[in-house]
Amino acid sequence: AQSVSQHNHHVILSEAASLELGCNYSYGGTVNLFWYVQYPGQHLQLLLKYFSGDPLVKGIKGFEAEFIKSKFSFNLRKPSVQWSDTAEYFCAVDTGRRALTFGSGTRLQVQP
Amino acid sequence: DTAVSQTPKYLVTQMGNDKSIKCEQNLGHDTMYWYKQDSKKFLKIMFSYNNKELIINETVPNRFSPKSPDKAHLNLHINSLELGDSAVYFCASSRDSAGTPGGYTFGSGTRLTVV
Repeated sequence: AQSVSQHNHHVILSEAASLELGCNYSYGGTVNLFWYVQYPGQHLQLLLKYFSGDPLVKGIKGFEAEFIKSKFSFNLRKPSVQWSDTAEYFCAVDTGRRALTFGSGTRLQVQP
Repeated sequence: DTAVSQTPKYLVTQMGNDKSIKCEQNLGHDTMYWYKQDSKKFLKIMFSYNNKELIINETVPNRFSPKSPDKAHLNLHINSLELGDSAVYFCASSRDSAGTPGGYTFGSGTRLTVV
């Protein structure tokens, strides 16, 4: 069965620091990849997604992610974080089984 | 204007009770889902329906019964509630069950607390 690993469980950064959150998946076939953000007490919002084409995808709020097929990775990046980026971040994979498989999430805390 | 709406937002109930959570989407999507987010924030698929047909039924106790009266609605009924059922339940929808570029849209969640 496919799985998604997010190795950073809790990340603490100062404002203006750069961010990279790791995401690896285990599945040998074609995948669709997603990053979602969940602000405290709120629902999941789509940050960005990859289906095909350019492996570097840009999302909302200055986030981007790079799909590296050989590494089964889809890491999320942002060059300069803000206090308002404090949230839980989830990587998710759709292997065509008609549902998303989520990673365990990374809690990002940005200190002013 | 809410795309995927769930009611209620909060639900506190005693063990042994039966409760329902409702979900409606106005996006014209064909597939709807229920996900469970536990206290450690881990999200897991429970069920998915495509055009009112059950597609995915993960290892969920049969106390949980989804019902889809039409493709815009997917309700979740839970019998004999247990403490371990306390979680946030998210409804979601997508254009079709293959996860096309439209992606998935999530509701705002229902926080269920069983006491």
